[in-house]
Amino acid sequence: EVQLLESGGGLVQPGGSLRLSCAASGFPVTTFAMNWVRQAPGKGLEWVSVIYGSTSYYADSVRGRFIISKDNSKNTLFLQLNSLRAEDTAIYYCAKGLTQYQLLGDGLDVWGQGTTVTVS
Amino acid sequence: DIQMTQSPSSLSASVGDRVTITCRASQDIDNYLAWYQQKPGKVPKLLTYAASFLQSGVPSRFSGSGSGTDFTLTISSLQPEDVATYYCQTYYSAPFTFGPGTKVDVK
Repeated sequence: EVQLLESGGGLVQPGGSLRLSCAASGFPVTTFAMNWVRQAPGKGLEWVSVIYGSTSYYADSVRGRFIISKDNSKNTLFLQLNSLRAEDTAIYYCAKGLTQYQLLGDGLDVWGQGTTVTVS
Repeated sequence: DIQMTQSPSSLSASVGDRVTITCRASQDIDNYLAWYQQKPGKVPKLLTYAASFLQSGVPSRFSGSGSGTDFTLTISSLQPEDVATYYCQTYYSAPFTFGPGTKVDVK
């Protein structure tokens, strides 16, 4: 079964850092675009970042502060959150691109349950 | 960056009604558009991709259409379980922006 399981969220002070993990099972992260999407309390979905191979992109709101990466041997996606701000408070979801070998842009067909980051 | 807008922001309709949600992109995105459904307290679910392709397992009462800058998601016969917020998203070029969402209620 294809699954994503996020971890690493928590309460952090402004200016602090966190590292989120997303363990994938049932498919290889190497061959799909992997995304992070967040949702602030009571708000809509905000796309954060994507990685495919060694190529990555970021939303303007996080560029320069967040770093996306993956460990192919562990089949795990990461998001390093630095210089955190109150407005980064959200549920962070990892999500898998629909199509194998599709570079970067794609519908997101599998989502994790999310991990909550609170900056306060 | 591409901006996405949706209308209406919310709607209330009766069971069996035909419901249409509109999504507009600030520039031509060809058919690089997906629609998602998010039920209260739940994870988003992919409904359609490439503007009009129905994701596996999604009921056939959902359909997507459009190309270029204007897109629609249609629910042909609204069901009680369709109460949710619906989001469009472009994946034409990064950043892959979501629309602000349309909240659908049943009268």
